[in-house]
Amino acid sequence: TQLLEQSPQFLSIQEGENLTVYCNSSSVFSSLQWYRQEPGEGPVLLVTVVTGGEVKKLKRLTFQFGDARKDSSLHITAAQPGDTGLYLCAGASGSARQLTFGSGTQLTVLP
Amino acid sequence: KAGVTQTPRYLIKTRGQQVTLSCSPISGHRSVSWYQQTPGQGLQFLFEYFSETQRNKGNFPGRFSGRQFSNSRSEMNVSTLELGDSALYLCASSLQGSPAQWDGYTFGSGTRLTVV
Repeated sequence: TQLLEQSPQFLSIQEGENLTVYCNSSSVFSSLQWYRQEPGEGPVLLVTVVTGGEVKKLKRLTFQFGDARKDSSLHITAAQPGDTGLYLCAGASGSARQLTFGSGTQLTVLP
Repeated sequence: KAGVTQTPRYLIKTRGQQVTLSCSPISGHRSVSWYQQTPGQGLQFLFEYFSETQRNKGNFPGRFSGRQFSNSRSEMNVSTLELGDSALYLCASSLQGSPAQWDGYTFGSGTRLTVV
């Protein structure tokens, strides 16, 4: 069974601070996706990374896929209250359209 | 374009009953997947349908079943409901593409099922 461990589980920071969320596994994934979920809604895809060592930037968000494709990180610069939400990493393996999700990081950005 | 539509949004059922949830994918998306989300277990894969065929199935008991229609709409059914089936059930659609080109799901808002 593939597992994805996310840390931290909870994060509460002040507006303007930087933060990093980690997603680790002992398994290799063909791709790694990050989603953000708000209360009462389904997850929304932020990014997909597929190549070991790949770095993608989405405005203030930077995503990195580990060289061995077993881990990933999400870095947010100058967090804003609108960044508040549940951040989920999810790994895909082989040819199946089936994701293994991490347990999530609940981020709260205080104004 | 319209997103993934799930109905109903909320549902309350009694133990032992059965329930059917519905999902309409984004137009043109032929792959539909279902996930269960609970506070304790997070998001867990139930099954995936493509062209009316189940392609993958997660580790859930046989009480959980689904189907897909020719217009790509999908339903999932849970029979003999248990208290532990209370969860947010999420439907997600995606373009066919090759697995290497798959860039993720578009999720619906979910159906919140409460079993009492």
